[in-house]
Amino acid sequence: EVQLVESGGGLVQPGGSLRLSCAASGFTFSSYSMNWVRQAPGKGLEWVSYISSSSSTIYYADSVKGRFTISRDNAKNSLYLQMNSLRDEDTAVYYCARDPVGGSEAQYFDYWGQGTLVTVSS
Amino acid sequence: SYELTQPPSVSVSPGQTASITCSGDKLGDKYACWYQQKPGQSPVLVIYQDSKRPSGIPERFSGSNSGNTATLTISGTQAMDEADYYCQAWAPDVVFGGGTKLTVL
Repeated sequence: EVQLVESGGGLVQPGGSLRLSCAASGFTFSSYSMNWVRQAPGKGLEWVSYISSSSSTIYYADSVKGRFTISRDNAKNSLYLQMNSLRDEDTAVYYCARDPVGGSEAQYFDYWGQGTLVTVSS
Repeated sequence: SYELTQPPSVSVSPGQTASITCSGDKLGDKYACWYQQKPGQSPVLVIYQDSKRPSGIPERFSGSNSGNTATLTISGTQAMDEADYYCQAWAPDVVFGGGTKLTVL
């Protein structure tokens, strides 16, 4: 059974940093691209970042470029999101999502984690 | 930047057919997919690559994509289908529609 379990969320002040983790199991993690998607309270879904299976290709949404860094450790079956210079508008539930076709025109997300809440507030 | 537009809400009676649209410039030239999200839960993929249904998704869910509009159709809608639905495309970054709240009443 495919499982994605996020952790690392919490309350942080504006300008602060946080590192999210996503632990994967039930599939060959190193064979799949992965993404982070977020959802502000009561709002819709917003794609945040993409990383290919080998980490050779990385993309970011304009809203987080230069502040967030995606990475992965295939030996540990884990995906990460380092978030720096956090703003109020970064408050959201952050989901990791598996990407079976890898950043192509047919891209979609077939499995999602349960999400971890990040709250940016003073 | 590319935008996908969905109606904020759609209502349907139980047993009837619900259609949720997603509009974008030349969307038919791209692949569209759809997610269902129930309150307090993570999104679930219900349609990918315009019209393919993942294993475990009921046959009453179908999709199409042509011109500027992708459509998610739910035939014989059940109370359990009440949820938010989001379309998504790649243009070239991932883009989501604003979501449609489906009410079954």
